[in-house]
Amino acid sequence: GAVVSQHPSRVICKSGTSVKIECRSLDFQATTMFWYRQFPKKSLMLMATSNEGSKATYEQGVEKDKFLINHASLTLSTLTVTSAHPEDSSFYICSASRGTDTQYFGPGTRLTVL
Amino acid sequence: QKEVEQDPGPLSVPEGAIVSLNCTYSNSAFQYFMWYRQYSRKGPELLMYTYSSGNKEDGRFTAQVDKSSKYISLFIRDSQPSDSATYLCAMSGPTGNQFYFGTGTSLTVIP
Repeated sequence: GAVVSQHPSRVICKSGTSVKIECRSLDFQATTMFWYRQFPKKSLMLMATSNEGSKATYEQGVEKDKFLINHASLTLSTLTVTSAHPEDSSFYICSASRGTDTQYFGPGTRLTVL
Repeated sequence: QKEVEQDPGPLSVPEGAIVSLNCTYSNSAFQYFMWYRQYSRKGPELLMYTYSSGNKEDGRFTAQVDKSSKYISLFIRDSQPSDSATYLCAMSGPTGNQFYFGTGTSLTVIP
Protein backbone atom coordinates (compact mmCIF):
# COMPACT_ATOMS: atom_id res chain seq x y z
CA GLY A 1 0.00 0.00 0.00
CA ALA A 2 0.86 3.72 0.04
CA VAL A 3 1.79 4.07 -3.62
CA VAL A 4 2.35 7.47 -5.20
CA SER A 5 2.63 7.89 -8.94
CA GLN A 6 3.95 10.77 -10.99
CA HIS A 7 3.39 11.57 -14.62
CA PRO A 8 5.25 12.11 -16.82
CA SER A 9 8.47 10.48 -15.67
CA ARG A 10 10.47 12.53 -18.12
CA VAL A 11 9.66 15.61 -20.17
CA ILE A 12 11.62 17.77 -22.56
CA CYS A 13 10.19 21.13 -23.55
CA LYS A 14 11.18 24.33 -25.27
CA SER A 15 12.00 27.45 -23.36
CA GLY A 16 8.91 29.59 -22.75
CA THR A 17 6.42 26.75 -22.69
CA SER A 18 4.53 25.43 -19.66
CA VAL A 19 4.76 21.93 -18.29
CA LYS A 20 2.31 20.16 -15.99
CA ILE A 21 3.35 17.33 -13.68
CA GLU A 22 0.74 15.16 -12.00
CA CYS A 23 1.08 13.45 -8.64
CA ARG A 24 -1.43 10.83 -7.54
CA SER A 25 -1.81 8.80 -4.37
CA LEU A 26 -3.12 5.51 -5.74
CA ASP A 27 -4.35 3.65 -2.69
CA PHE A 28 -4.86 6.22 0.04
CA GLN A 29 -6.24 9.68 0.55
CA ALA A 30 -3.51 12.24 1.03
CA THR A 31 -4.37 15.10 3.32
CA THR A 32 -1.16 16.83 2.34
CA MET A 33 1.05 16.69 -0.71
CA PHE A 34 4.54 18.08 -1.03
CA TRP A 35 6.61 19.13 -4.02
CA TYR A 36 10.38 18.90 -4.00
CA ARG A 37 13.14 19.77 -6.39
CA GLN A 38 16.45 17.95 -6.47
CA PHE A 39 19.65 18.78 -8.32
CA PRO A 40 22.17 16.04 -9.14
CA LYS A 41 23.83 14.65 -6.03
CA LYS A 42 22.09 17.22 -3.86
CA SER A 43 19.49 16.84 -1.16
CA LEU A 44 15.76 17.37 -1.52
CA MET A 45 14.59 20.99 -1.59
CA LEU A 46 11.03 21.49 -0.44
CA MET A 47 9.22 23.83 -2.80
CA ALA A 48 5.70 23.87 -1.43
CA THR A 49 3.17 22.11 0.75
CA SER A 50 -0.43 21.76 -0.31
CA ASN A 51 -3.58 20.62 1.41
CA GLU A 52 -6.61 19.53 -0.56
CA GLY A 53 -8.84 22.45 -1.42
CA SER A 54 -6.43 25.05 -0.02
CA LYS A 55 -3.80 27.29 -1.52
CA ALA A 56 -0.31 25.88 -1.42
CA THR A 57 2.23 27.18 1.05
CA TYR A 58 5.45 28.00 -0.75
CA GLU A 59 8.93 27.92 0.74
CA GLN A 60 10.95 31.09 0.79
CA GLY A 61 12.50 31.85 -2.56
CA VAL A 62 10.06 29.75 -4.59
CA GLU A 63 8.07 31.82 -7.07
CA LYS A 64 4.43 30.90 -6.72
CA ASP A 65 3.51 32.48 -10.04
CA LYS A 66 6.07 30.33 -11.77
CA PHE A 67 5.38 27.06 -10.00
CA LEU A 68 1.61 26.72 -9.87
CA ILE A 69 0.32 24.04 -7.56
CA ASN A 70 -3.21 22.73 -7.57
CA HIS A 71 -4.47 20.15 -5.09
CA ALA A 72 -7.91 19.49 -6.44
CA SER A 73 -8.67 16.26 -4.62
CA LEU A 74 -7.35 14.00 -1.88
CA THR A 75 -5.56 11.89 -4.48
CA LEU A 76 -4.30 14.40 -7.02
CA SER A 77 -1.95 17.36 -7.00
CA THR A 78 -0.42 19.07 -10.01
CA LEU A 79 2.65 21.24 -10.43
CA THR A 80 2.76 23.49 -13.47
CA VAL A 81 6.04 25.09 -14.39
CA THR A 82 5.06 28.19 -16.34
CA SER A 83 7.23 29.84 -18.98
CA ALA A 84 9.95 27.32 -18.37
CA HIS A 85 13.60 28.29 -18.76
CA PRO A 86 16.70 26.11 -18.90
CA GLU A 87 17.47 26.88 -15.25
CA ASP A 88 14.18 25.16 -14.34
CA SER A 89 15.64 21.88 -15.58
CA SER A 90 15.70 19.59 -12.59
CA PHE A 91 14.29 16.47 -10.96
CA TYR A 92 10.88 17.18 -9.44
CA ILE A 93 9.51 14.80 -6.82
CA CYS A 94 6.15 14.82 -5.12
CA SER A 95 5.15 13.09 -1.92
CA ALA A 96 1.90 12.46 -0.13
CA SER A 97 1.04 12.17 3.51
CA ARG A 98 -1.95 10.97 5.47
CA GLY A 99 -0.95 13.00 8.49
CA THR A 100 2.14 13.60 10.54
CA ASP A 101 3.52 10.09 10.54
CA THR A 102 5.25 9.72 7.22
CA GLN A 103 5.50 10.74 3.58
CA TYR A 104 5.37 8.50 0.55
CA PHE A 105 7.28 9.69 -2.47
CA GLY A 106 6.55 9.47 -6.15
CA PRO A 107 9.20 8.22 -8.60
CA GLY A 108 10.06 11.74 -9.77
CA THR A 109 9.87 13.67 -13.03
CA ARG A 110 12.93 14.74 -14.90
CA LEU A 111 12.37 18.06 -16.64
CA THR A 112 14.71 19.30 -19.34
CA VAL A 113 14.11 22.74 -20.79
CA LEU A 114 15.90 23.42 -24.06
CA GLN B 1 21.40 25.05 14.18
CA LYS B 2 19.74 22.76 11.66
CA GLU B 3 16.77 20.73 12.82
CA VAL B 4 18.35 17.53 11.52
CA GLU B 5 22.02 16.77 11.00
CA GLN B 6 23.27 13.90 8.90
CA ASP B 7 26.80 13.12 7.78
CA PRO B 8 26.74 13.21 3.96
CA GLY B 9 29.55 10.69 3.61
CA PRO B 10 30.35 9.26 1.16
CA LEU B 11 30.57 5.94 2.93
CA SER B 12 32.20 2.98 1.22
CA VAL B 13 32.13 -0.54 2.71
CA PRO B 14 32.92 -4.07 1.50
CA GLU B 15 30.09 -6.46 0.80
CA GLY B 16 28.90 -8.22 3.94
CA ALA B 17 29.86 -5.41 6.29
CA ILE B 18 27.55 -3.92 8.90
CA VAL B 19 26.66 -0.35 8.03
CA SER B 20 25.68 2.25 10.59
CA LEU B 21 23.97 5.45 9.45
CA ASN B 22 23.08 8.18 11.91
CA CYS B 23 21.21 11.42 12.37
CA THR B 24 20.95 13.85 15.22
CA TYR B 25 18.18 16.34 15.79
CA SER B 26 17.44 19.30 17.97
CA ASN B 27 13.65 19.28 18.43
CA SER B 28 12.66 17.05 21.33
CA ALA B 29 9.03 17.18 20.17
CA PHE B 30 9.67 14.92 17.17
CA GLN B 31 7.79 11.65 17.50
CA TYR B 32 7.91 10.04 14.08
CA PHE B 33 11.20 8.91 12.60
CA MET B 34 11.78 7.60 9.10
CA TRP B 35 14.56 6.28 6.94
CA TYR B 36 14.36 6.51 3.17
CA ARG B 37 16.55 4.97 0.50
CA GLN B 38 17.04 6.83 -2.75
CA TYR B 39 18.63 5.33 -5.81
CA SER B 40 20.04 7.65 -8.43
CA ARG B 41 17.32 9.35 -10.50
CA LYS B 42 14.53 7.78 -8.45
CA GLY B 43 12.19 9.05 -5.76
CA PRO B 44 13.00 8.17 -2.13
CA GLU B 45 11.56 4.87 -0.93
CA LEU B 46 10.38 4.47 2.66
CA LEU B 47 12.54 1.84 4.38
CA MET B 48 11.73 2.10 8.04
CA TYR B 49 9.27 4.02 10.15
CA THR B 50 9.42 4.27 13.93
CA TYR B 51 7.18 5.98 16.40
CA SER B 52 8.86 7.35 19.53
CA SER B 53 11.85 5.53 21.04
CA GLY B 54 13.07 2.01 20.62
CA ASN B 55 14.23 -0.42 17.97
CA LYS B 56 12.52 -1.78 14.91
CA GLU B 57 13.82 -4.59 12.77
CA ASP B 58 12.90 -5.55 9.22
CA GLY B 59 15.07 -8.17 7.61
CA ARG B 60 18.62 -6.87 7.38
CA PHE B 61 17.59 -3.40 8.52
CA THR B 62 17.30 -2.16 12.10
CA ALA B 63 16.15 1.34 13.02
CA GLN B 64 17.00 2.69 16.43
CA VAL B 65 15.68 5.83 18.12
CA ASP B 66 17.18 7.31 21.26
CA LYS B 67 15.03 10.28 22.16
CA SER B 68 17.04 11.10 25.27
CA SER B 69 20.11 11.69 23.12
CA LYS B 70 18.13 12.97 20.10
CA TYR B 71 19.87 10.41 17.94
CA ILE B 72 18.59 7.92 15.41
CA SER B 73 20.41 5.14 13.60
CA LEU B 74 19.88 2.74 10.76
CA PHE B 75 21.88 -0.48 10.75
CA ILE B 76 22.26 -2.61 7.65
CA ARG B 77 23.53 -6.14 8.24
CA ASP B 78 25.24 -8.23 5.58
CA SER B 79 25.36 -5.26 3.23
CA GLN B 80 24.89 -5.97 -0.47
CA PRO B 81 25.93 -4.01 -3.57
CA SER B 82 22.22 -3.39 -4.16
CA ASP B 83 22.20 -1.37 -0.92
CA SER B 84 24.36 1.25 -2.65
CA ALA B 85 22.19 4.37 -2.54
CA THR B 86 21.65 7.58 -0.63
CA TYR B 87 19.94 7.16 2.73
CA LEU B 88 17.83 9.98 4.12
CA CYS B 89 16.57 10.31 7.66
CA ALA B 90 13.40 12.26 8.34
CA MET B 91 11.29 13.16 11.32
CA SER B 92 8.05 14.87 12.19
CA GLY B 93 5.40 15.45 14.79
CA PRO B 94 3.70 15.71 17.08
CA THR B 95 1.24 17.90 15.16
CA GLY B 96 1.02 19.63 11.85
CA ASN B 97 2.42 18.49 8.55
CA GLN B 98 6.04 19.56 8.73
CA PHE B 99 8.74 17.06 8.03
CA TYR B 100 12.44 17.57 8.47
CA PHE B 101 14.95 15.71 6.36
CA GLY B 102 18.64 15.08 6.74
CA THR B 103 20.82 15.86 3.75
CA GLY B 104 21.37 12.17 3.03
CA THR B 105 24.35 9.80 3.33
CA SER B 106 25.74 8.30 0.15
CA LEU B 107 26.61 4.60 0.62
CA THR B 108 28.56 2.38 -1.73
CA VAL B 109 28.87 -1.35 -1.03
CA ILE B 110 31.83 -2.80 -2.90
CA PRO B 111 31.49 -6.41 -4.17
